[in-house]
Amino acid sequence: DAKTTQPPSMDCAEGRAANLPCNHSTISGNEYVYWYRQIHSQGPQYIIHGLKNNETNEMASLIITEDRKSSTLILPHATLRDTAVYYCIVRSLGAGRRALTFGSGTRLQVQP
Amino acid sequence: GAGVSQSPSNKVTEKGKDVELRCDPISGHTALYWYRQSLGQGLEFLIYFQGNSAPDKSGLPSDRFSAERTGGSVSTLTIQRTQQEDSAVYLCASSLGGGSEGNTIYFGEGSWLTVV
Repeated sequence: DAKTTQPPSMDCAEGRAANLPCNHSTISGNEYVYWYRQIHSQGPQYIIHGLKNNETNEMASLIITEDRKSSTLILPHATLRDTAVYYCIVRSLGAGRRALTFGSGTRLQVQP
Repeated sequence: GAGVSQSPSNKVTEKGKDVELRCDPISGHTALYWYRQSLGQGLEFLIYFQGNSAPDKSGLPSDRFSAERTGGSVSTLTIQRTQQEDSAVYLCASSLGGGSEGNTIYFGEGSWLTVV
């Protein structure tokens, strides 16, 4: 599995954009980048995923560098409810292994 | 229901007892996963089921842990002779098909297990 590296924590002011970086320098060509978040040990919530093009949905935008070695999750207008741990995950295609491998994530604290 | 359903939501058990945790995946989802998360820790993969294929048990921490999936739907995670270090939230997830890229995995709210 390609490993990911994320900063352990970040702060963001309410109403501002939150930009969460992720490094996945060993990603292979057919692996997707997924983002999930987890609020207070609830079940992780899917946010967005992408392969090589930038993606946007109602929750966030995902920017993937051209070499695919890193990506950034953007929450355009962070609210207090966005305070959570954000996980950047690379989907493994290993034989018989289809599970997501979670790292330690980034703890985002949105400040009022 | 519309989402992944887990029961019980909370379970307190005595050390040495066996426990069973249940997961109802989203209807039509062929892939089912179990994870656990100890307090303050990241998610740990336990086991994965895909259709009728043999499950991927590579994440099970010991032979006290087992899981089955009956009829390709409901799954039960069993922990025998529970230990205090088994205390964690056990999360179940499902997806349309684990082998196909782009399929999103949806998580349940978890079963909180406390071993006293």
